[in-house]
Formats: sequence, structure tokens, C-alpha cells
Amino acid sequence: GAGVSQTPSNKVTEKGKYVELRCDPISGHTALYWYRQSLGQGPEFLIYFQGTGAADDSGLPNDRFFAVRPEGSVSTLKIQRTERGDSAVYLCASSFGDGTNSPLHFGNGTRLTVT
Amino acid sequence: KQEVTQIPAALSVPEGENLVLNCSFTDSAIYNLQWFRQDPGKGLTSLLLIQSSQREQTSGRLNASLDKSSGRSTLYIAASQPGDSATYLCAVMDSNYQLIWGAGTKLIIKP
Repeated sequence: GAGVSQTPSNKVTEKGKYVELRCDPISGHTALYWYRQSLGQGPEFLIYFQGTGAADDSGLPNDRFFAVRPEGSVSTLKIQRTERGDSAVYLCASSFGDGTNSPLHFGNGTRLTVT
Repeated sequence: KQEVTQIPAALSVPEGENLVLNCSFTDSAIYNLQWFRQDPGKGLTSLLLIQSSQREQTSGRLNASLDKSSGRSTLYIAASQPGDSATYLCAVMDSNYQLIWGAGTKLIIKP
């Protein structure tokens, strides 16, 4: 398909485990964003990539969270030593350029549940 | 610090009515303002993007306005339909290219 693809759609893990969430952006989109969303709230910014580099990672809550985009396309969000408070829907979005002139296109998200 | 507020938090109207959703923001230094809809269990779908230099954008039955000086935007939906039922979120892109989001308005259109 032509949209943003996120896998897995659901992930249940035990407290303390490591998880990886994958995002496949729209082909040609240089900007890629990760957000997380809790029930009844708007998305919370985590990190923004422009190409291969993290242009802004100020939203990552702590050093357990890390994201990569080694070839400027697919991105992986990595969470170490998961905690119950990490449970949320993790959303990925991509856009042309720097996102100021074109809308963000979102995937359907990965619902992470930490038990 | 930019803050985005959406009022009301929930709205229920009969089918066919015109309606307005409100969004306000505290810092006028924005690149753009975007309106999205979110269906349950789904990601967000972009509806309209208004550049900071623009006053409004239209797409079909949707019209969004932007008054940057007063920090306000409205989303007008004409002739509402049950398929319009969803949560509508507005977001502003700040000078750091971050989208700052409101909490959304949950809209229910009654047949």
C-alpha cells in the first residue's frame, strides 16, 4: 500500500522486557515523526527525523527510549526495560520536506501494553 | 510554551446540521495549523492544513479558518452526516517543527 505502515499493530510485553516498534513511511517522505497517544489525549511528540538523522529527540521521555532510521526510510523505536507507564498507542507519521508545507500522514499505530 | 485547547470536548448533533469546532493556541509563532480526524482504533487522517500566512482552507463540506493574531481556528462542517462521527484534533506546528496537539473534540452525528 501507499500509506504509512506500522508493525506490529499490537504488542503485549512483560515489565522489564525490550521491545521494538517498526515504521515504514511513505516512499519519498524525508520527514518521519514518532508520537505516543494515551486514551482521551492528543498525541505526545517523541522524536523527529529528517533523513537519517534525528533532528529533534527532545520528546523522548528518558534514556530507555531510542529510535533509529539508518537508511532514511524505515524507522525503529526501541524501548528498554519497559514499564507499565509505557503502555500507549505509538504513532508514526511521515511527510515531504520539513512538514511545514505538507500534511503529516499517520500509520494506524502500535498499541503497546506492558503487563 | 505552546498550549492548544479544543472546545467542546464532546459534541452530539442531529444529522444534517452545520457545526463548528473550536481550537485555540497560546503562541502565534507557528508554521501551520492542521486539523485531523481520528476514528476509534485508527491513526489520524489529515483533513486540512492552513499555512501561517493563510486565513482559511476548504475541502468539500469542511472549512477551516485561522486567526493567528488571536490564536484561534475553527473547523466548520456543513450538512453533517453520521460518517462524520469521529474525534477531531487540531495541532499547530511550532518553530521547532513539532506538532503541539489539542486533546480533541469527540463528535457524534445522530441519524
